[in-house]
Amino acid sequence: DAGVTQSPTHLIKTRGQQVTLRCSPKSGHDTVSWYQQALGQGPQFIFQYYEEEERQRGNFPDRFSGHQFPNYSSELNVNALLLGDSALYLCASSFKGNNYGYTFGSGTRLTVV
Amino acid sequence: GQNIDQPTEMTATEGAIVQINCTYQTSGFNGLFWYQQHAGEAPTFLSYNVLDGLEEKGRFSSFLSRSKGYSYLLLKELQMKDSASYLCAVREGGANNLFFGTGTRLTVIP
Repeated sequence: DAGVTQSPTHLIKTRGQQVTLRCSPKSGHDTVSWYQQALGQGPQFIFQYYEEEERQRGNFPDRFSGHQFPNYSSELNVNALLLGDSALYLCASSFKGNNYGYTFGSGTRLTVV
Repeated sequence: GQNIDQPTEMTATEGAIVQINCTYQTSGFNGLFWYQQHAGEAPTFLSYNVLDGLEEKGRFSSFLSRSKGYSYLLLKELQMKDSASYLCAVREGGANNLFFGTGTRLTVIP
């Protein structure tokens, strides 16, 4: 039973560029939540997708957007990258929005130079 | 808003017991979670408390006092593999997201 899969594992981008990160949820899960974890900090909630819609959003600018596909996988897009966007981006999957049963992926390490 | 505080770093000896504290201020408290995160890896679920009291799971126990806005994670019979960051997270009301503290980096020494 595959867990949460994220790709790529590492990424280096230049300031001003755009990036797309991908997440495949754990088998049986239908909800995907995205978190940003800066070095030495705890994860911060970006948004959650359920039934292909954004259900809840944290305090992140519109440069951060997402999408969920019919197979429950999800993408996180970040436009006009800033140096401060450098972080570990974590995807957590769950069932019907329930965060009690979160399963986290290993994350994508994004470095903006 | 939310305010979650936990110590930044702790060191303990193999075989010993360590207690990691977490205090929080939040509106509409609806549960507290503890996660373990090894460097470069995904956070993994350790425990969940929504009512006052102690929840025990093998070597790991978690305590909650809602009136004091306080929780602790107790790790017994420490092993070297317990060296990791421990994240305290709070859920508010009907929210489908968690608010995390900055994490406590635990180092277990021989």
